[in-house]
Amino acid sequence: DAGVIQSPRHEVTEMGQEVTLRCKPISGHNSLFWYRQTMMRGLELLIYFNNNVPIDDSGMPEDRFSAKMPNASFSTLKIQPSEPRDSAVYFCASTPPARSLYGYTFGSGTRLTVV
Amino acid sequence: DQQVKQNSPSLSVQEGRISILNCDYTNSMFDYFLWYKKYPAEGPTFLISISSIKDKNEDGRFTVFLNKSAKHLSLHIVPSQPGDSAVYFCAARQGGKLIFGQGTELSVKP
Repeated sequence: DAGVIQSPRHEVTEMGQEVTLRCKPISGHNSLFWYRQTMMRGLELLIYFNNNVPIDDSGMPEDRFSAKMPNASFSTLKIQPSEPRDSAVYFCASTPPARSLYGYTFGSGTRLTVV
Repeated sequence: DQQVKQNSPSLSVQEGRISILNCDYTNSMFDYFLWYKKYPAEGPTFLISISSIKDKNEDGRFTVFLNKSAKHLSLHIVPSQPGDSAVYFCAARQGGKLIFGQGTELSVKP
């Protein structure tokens, strides 16, 4: 089991550019979560999907952020246009259908820097 | 609004002593509380959990206490070891999602 795979590990981009973060959940997991880590707010839930359907996107900061899950093995988080305040570490996590407390598995994160 | 709060950004403890990490929450509807541990350049990993109907759960050196009337939980690590140095996140479950606090960076000095 390769775990949750995120790419890229690091991304540096200029303000105004489009950024796309990618996530491959663990095979068989049917829920996928996007979190953002900042010093002020810790791990902040942006959006989560259940069976590829967005369930709660109330944490998405603004319209510049969008997320998709076209199939069970792939999700993207897009920021367009990016701003310096979007700089953070973005984590993806997935869980199996049983809603096990122990099943929340996180990827290693994407460190985004917007200059 | 932050529903789960960790008010101490950092904690430094001597090896062998007790580490106590604290967490406060505002929502009475949370059914489970969890602690996650995070090393640099890695994702958070599950450490220990407690149901909202319990007041204590123990797993080896780690014990979590829940005080529902005060909406407060704490993680005790005894004895602390240098390998415990990491960022600890408190989380609460609501429906299908986990809501995390800001994290506390624990440093255990030899």
